[in-house]
Amino acid sequence: KQEVTQIPAALSVPEGENLVLNCSFTDSAIYNLQWFRQDPGKGLTSLLLIQSSQREQTSGRLNASLDKSSGRSTLYIAASQPGDSATYLCAVRPVETSGSRLTFGEGTQLTVNP
Amino acid sequence: DTEVTQTPKHLVMGMTNKKSLKCEQHMGHRAMYWYKQKAKKPPELMFVYSYEKLSINESVPSRFSPECPNSSLLNLHLHALQPEDSALYLCASGPNLQGRRETQYFGPGTRLLVL
Repeated sequence: KQEVTQIPAALSVPEGENLVLNCSFTDSAIYNLQWFRQDPGKGLTSLLLIQSSQREQTSGRLNASLDKSSGRSTLYIAASQPGDSATYLCAVRPVETSGSRLTFGEGTQLTVNP
Repeated sequence: DTEVTQTPKHLVMGMTNKKSLKCEQHMGHRAMYWYKQKAKKPPELMFVYSYEKLSINESVPSRFSPECPNSSLLNLHLHALQPEDSALYLCASGPNLQGRRETQYFGPGTRLLVL
């Protein structure tokens, strides 16, 4: 059974710092991996989607990498801003479920202090 | 239009009430999902509809009854809920249920409180 782990569970940094969020998964048989952002009490916003054949994706100050063989992904946030404060969730789409399910990690709660 | 809308935003109901949550998307997606999310936990999948047919039911209690009237709409009918059912209910849609490029677009959620 696929399991997804995110480290750290919480992170507090000063504004302007570059930071890395980590995601690991136990089964490398995935279609893709997706990073989401969630503000308190709100829905999920998709940030980046990496297909299993890709190594990384970039959007603005965000860069996500994927090492499928080792079961790891990282989300790099450059020059963090207070508006980046949110919970970041990583989710994989396992092949074993024919791509119909997302398996989520527990999330990393990020606080960027002014 | 890449938006999934959900109504209502907030709902308070008693354990004997019957209410419905609504979800709508106009992206032409043929897969729609209901998730339940408790505080500080990731979303938990409840139901998946594929081409308006229920394809996955994650052993959800019968007091939750999903309905997909057409390809753009998804409802969740609630009856005789328990206080522990209080949570954020998220709807999502995706273009291709089993495609390698499948992604999911989430709505803002309905915050449900059962008294």
